[in-house]
Amino acid sequence: AQRVTQPEKLLSVFKGAPVELKCNYSYSGSPELFWYVQYSRQRLQLLLRHISRESIKGFTADLNKGETSFHLKKPFAQEEDSAMYYCALSTSGTYKYIFGTGTRLKVLA
Amino acid sequence: NAGVTQTPKFQVLKTGQSMTLQCAQDMNHEYMSWYRQDPGMGLRLIHYSVGAGITDQGEVPNGYNVSRSTTEDFPLRLLSAAPSQTSVYFCASSPYRGTEAFFGQGTRLTVV
Repeated sequence: AQRVTQPEKLLSVFKGAPVELKCNYSYSGSPELFWYVQYSRQRLQLLLRHISRESIKGFTADLNKGETSFHLKKPFAQEEDSAMYYCALSTSGTYKYIFGTGTRLKVLA
Repeated sequence: NAGVTQTPKFQVLKTGQSMTLQCAQDMNHEYMSWYRQDPGMGLRLIHYSVGAGITDQGEVPNGYNVSRSTTEDFPLRLLSAAPSQTSVYFCASSPYRGTEAFFGQGTRLTVV
């Protein structure tokens, strides 16, 4: 069965420290992977997707098919990065998205 | 474009009442879906639709009905509300398989 695992419910880091939010997936085919972010009292919005291989707001994520991971990284955290982050998987041939349970990132001053 | 619009933003229901959560999108997206967001459980798919007249169940469909009579609208009906349906509900749409999902602002539902 397809699954997305985000092992950390809460991640607290100090401003300026590196950040890594972990995401592992379970899927035997070719996945489409996404990171969505939800700032306080706002709707979910796309942060980045693996196929575009771009950096958004300083965040990057690399798909590692061998480790079935899609970890989100940022070298220097900012207070405005505090939010809920969801990793999501879209499987080939379907429209469905499977979300992880989310990681709340708190960046401390 | 307004994107994905959900109404209402907040709702309190008594156990046993029924109601409809509205979702509309103006981007001509074929795919629409409903999720519920609960603490520690992330987003779970309730129902989805791949086009007008076509709907299917997601991970947690019990207690909910949907219909898709037009491309734009995808209402979610609670038949007989229960406290376990207290949650934040999100509607989303996307144009093609494996592309970005656009979310509504959510409906916070409390069932007492």
